[in-house]
Amino acid sequence: NAGVTQTPKFQVLKTGQSMTLQCAQDMNHNSMYWYRQDPGMGLRLIYYSASEGTTDKGEVPNGYNVSRLNKREFSLRLESAAPSQTSVYFCASSDRFLGGGTAEAFFGQGTRLTVV
Amino acid sequence: AQRVTQPEKLLSVFKGAPVELKCNYSYSGSPELFWYVQYSRQRLQLLLRHISRESIKGFTADLNKGETSFHLKKPFAQEEDSAMYYCALTNGSSNTGKLIFGQGTTLQVKP
Repeated sequence: NAGVTQTPKFQVLKTGQSMTLQCAQDMNHNSMYWYRQDPGMGLRLIYYSASEGTTDKGEVPNGYNVSRLNKREFSLRLESAAPSQTSVYFCASSDRFLGGGTAEAFFGQGTRLTVV
Repeated sequence: AQRVTQPEKLLSVFKGAPVELKCNYSYSGSPELFWYVQYSRQRLQLLLRHISRESIKGFTADLNKGETSFHLKKPFAQEEDSAMYYCALTNGSSNTGKLIFGQGTTLQVKP
């Protein structure tokens, strides 16, 4: 059982380049999330998708876009990378849905992104 | 403002000593509280949730609504407990499940 799978694991970008982080879950979860982890700041929510076909901004959405391609996949795109986006990115999913489910989040292994 | 605060960046104890990782929160409504753990080279995983009132790996956490705290405790620390610990909360009545995390506390258990 793979759970939540993210690609790539590591990436170095030059300022201004674009890239897409891929995420897929095989647990039939309704909700998916993208967080960034920075030293001393914990994890902060970038975007989330509470169900297939919907996406919403989190705490730090600027500079990012997302696509909930289907129930399994939720991608994060950096259109023009900046050094401030150097971080570790985590995708997560949960089966929380309207009226029930658990908020326990299952995380991917993370993507370490460096923007130079 | 919705906020989770973990006041200690690093907590260092000797094996066998008691451990308490502090977590305070600020939230209006009905929060659900969690502790997540990230061992070296592993992904973040759930350790405890307050609604389950369970003990995992010897850890317990009690939600104190009066003090708005959810401290994580273990009576006798083990070296394998060394990890990064995050306290987190979500809106218990929301369908989104999005989490607000604290800054994290690194627990270092020395032999």
